[in-house]
Amino acid sequence: KAGVTQTPRYLIKTRGQQVTLSCSPISGHRSVSWYQQTPGQGLQFLFEYFSETQRNKGNFPGRFSGRQFSNSRSEMNVSTLELGDSALYLCASSLATGNYEQYFGPGTRLTVT
Amino acid sequence: AQTVTQSQPEMSVQEAETVTLSCTYDTSENNYYLFWYKQPPSRQMILVIRQEAYKQQNATENRFSVNFQKAAKSFSLKISDSQLGDTAMYFCAFQVAYGQNFVFGPGTRLSVLP
Repeated sequence: KAGVTQTPRYLIKTRGQQVTLSCSPISGHRSVSWYQQTPGQGLQFLFEYFSETQRNKGNFPGRFSGRQFSNSRSEMNVSTLELGDSALYLCASSLATGNYEQYFGPGTRLTVT
Repeated sequence: AQTVTQSQPEMSVQEAETVTLSCTYDTSENNYYLFWYKQPPSRQMILVIRQEAYKQQNATENRFSVNFQKAAKSFSLKISDSQLGDTAMYFCAFQVAYGQNFVFGPGTRLSVLP
């Protein structure tokens, strides 16, 4: 069974631009969570989607948004990029929302210049 | 709010020896789950071991075992017979029962030396 895939793997953007990252969960998984990983703040939860609905949200500004499609694929969008948004963005999928094991993708490394 | 602390930013261990990584957490919840995740250099994060708070028995997974002390809110990971492939960042994580978002600790960078 294929693992979690994230595209693109690397991205360079300029301050003020917007960016969209994509995550395809493991087949049959319906929950997708997003995390931001930085050296200074570590791993921080962004949000979780299940059945096309946002179920949980972390403490991030409204510039960070996401959505989930009927095939469980998810996208996250960051608008008006700031230098501090440079990070590794990780996506994790699980069978359902709740206490199920999360399987992580390889991440998208975003660099904002 | 829950917090997870890993007091050892970096550790090293000789191949074949045993090492223990520390993790403490703070929560007012009674039902929760604790995890250790491993993130090898430039590779995906994978689950090492998971512990349900309602279980008194410590979880074990091959060479990996935990020492779960609920009253002390401590959750350490012991790696026995360390192998070069164990070199990675190790994250301790907390999840409330029936919750989804994980709270991760800052990580411990473990180097296994030949």
